Amino acid sequence: NAGVTQTPKFRVLKTGQSMTLLCAQDMNHEYMYWYRQDPGMGLRLIHYSVGEGTTAKGEVPDGYNVSRLKKQNFLLGLESAAPSQTSVYFCASSLQGGIFGNQPQHFGDGTRLSIL
Amino acid sequence: GIQVEQSPPDLILQEGANSTLRCNFSDSVNNLQWFHQNPWGQLINLFYIPSGTKQNGRLSATTVATERYSLLYISSSQTTDSGVYFCAVYHDYKLSFGAGTTVTVRA
Repeated sequence: NAGVTQTPKFRVLKTGQSMTLLCAQDMNHEYMYWYRQDPGMGLRLIHYSVGEGTTAKGEVPDGYNVSRLKKQNFLLGLESAAPSQTSVYFCASSLQGGIFGNQPQHFGDGTRLSIL
Repeated sequence: GIQVEQSPPDLILQEGANSTLRCNFSDSVNNLQWFHQNPWGQLINLFYIPSGTKQNGRLSATTVATERYSLLYISSSQTTDSGVYFCAVYHDYKLSFGAGTTVTVRA
């Protein structure tokens, strides 16, 4: 029972390069989320998805794109990486979210991304 | 957006001591989670607690939603309790995090 799996775990990029972070969950969860965590701060929501084929912007969406082509996968893309995007990225999923928030979010182990 | 404030920002404990962490939030919330981020960076779910009190071993949590706060109690602390404790609230179907309380337990 893997839960939420993020790949890769570490990555170093040069400014201007592109890359995609993959999040996979095996819990049949409907909702998925991408967060970033910067030093000394809590997590901030980048984008989220309420179901296959849907995406929506979170608190800090600029410079990122996402796709949810399959229910179990949620991809986070950086088209042209910038040093300000150096961070730890967390993916999460929940059975449902809606306005009730009545299911907990389950988190992956994170991806450490450094952009030089 | 909603404001989530945690206190204290840092806490140093001697092994065996008890402590209380506090989370205040600025608006009504649908639910609340407490997490422990261990030294390896993993986020561990501790409690999912919209109201009332829950206990799990040496940890317990109380949420008083009408007064917009939650408390996390650590009893008989151990060195493995070290790390950052985050409170996160569900508001407008999104999870908003506080800045965390960094706990260091010394042997």
